[in-house]
Amino acid sequence: DGGITQSPKYLFRKEGQNVTLSCEQNLNHDAMYWYRQDPGQGLRLIYYSQIVNDFQKGDIAEGYSVSREKKESFPLTVTSAQKNPTAFYLCASRSGYDGYTFGSGTRLTVV
Amino acid sequence: AQSVTQLGSHVSVSEGALVLLRCNYSSSVPPYLFWYVQYPNQGLQLLLKYTSAATLVKGINGFEAEFKKSETSFHLTKPSAHMSDAAEYFCAVSGSGATNKLIFGTGTLLAVQP
Repeated sequence: DGGITQSPKYLFRKEGQNVTLSCEQNLNHDAMYWYRQDPGQGLRLIYYSQIVNDFQKGDIAEGYSVSREKKESFPLTVTSAQKNPTAFYLCASRSGYDGYTFGSGTRLTVV
Repeated sequence: AQSVTQLGSHVSVSEGALVLLRCNYSSSVPPYLFWYVQYPNQGLQLLLKYTSAATLVKGINGFEAEFKKSETSFHLTKPSAHMSDAAEYFCAVSGSGATNKLIFGTGTLLAVQP
């Protein structure tokens, strides 16, 4: 079945460490998105990409980086510059008018 | 610019009672509107969508929503709540482009009392 796979499901980061969250889709969707979810704040857009080798900053891009070298993959790196990275991270893709398809999320915790 | 306001961060209903979750939108272009449901520690699942066809939209799990342009609203309803409906619900708006990003509301947590 087609879908979006996020890995790992749980991730622990030490202070000052960079970590990369994986997002892979086999839906042949052009656009992909990364959101951060904190309790009571809904979903906030970090980065998005509408085509391979191109991406744009969202509302809270500071401390994060992405790449889009393949249509299927849109990894997110949480850098040491992100001072409060503990959150639930969601990846999504879109093609056509059906809204987003979401992955199951990665919960990142700073230890 | 587009935005979504969900009225009520927490809603509690009794099992079998009507569910009404409120969503108002603002959009400078004809909107596409969506409702998503999220269970704990999971991604979001699409419940239903409005894409400029019928104004009364039926979705999964017995939910429906009505697009009211004059009221800029897209409220989600279900005639009879079930315990399994307890979850967080998000309303979202986008423009009509196939790759337009969605703007989400802050969510409404629905509790269902036995």
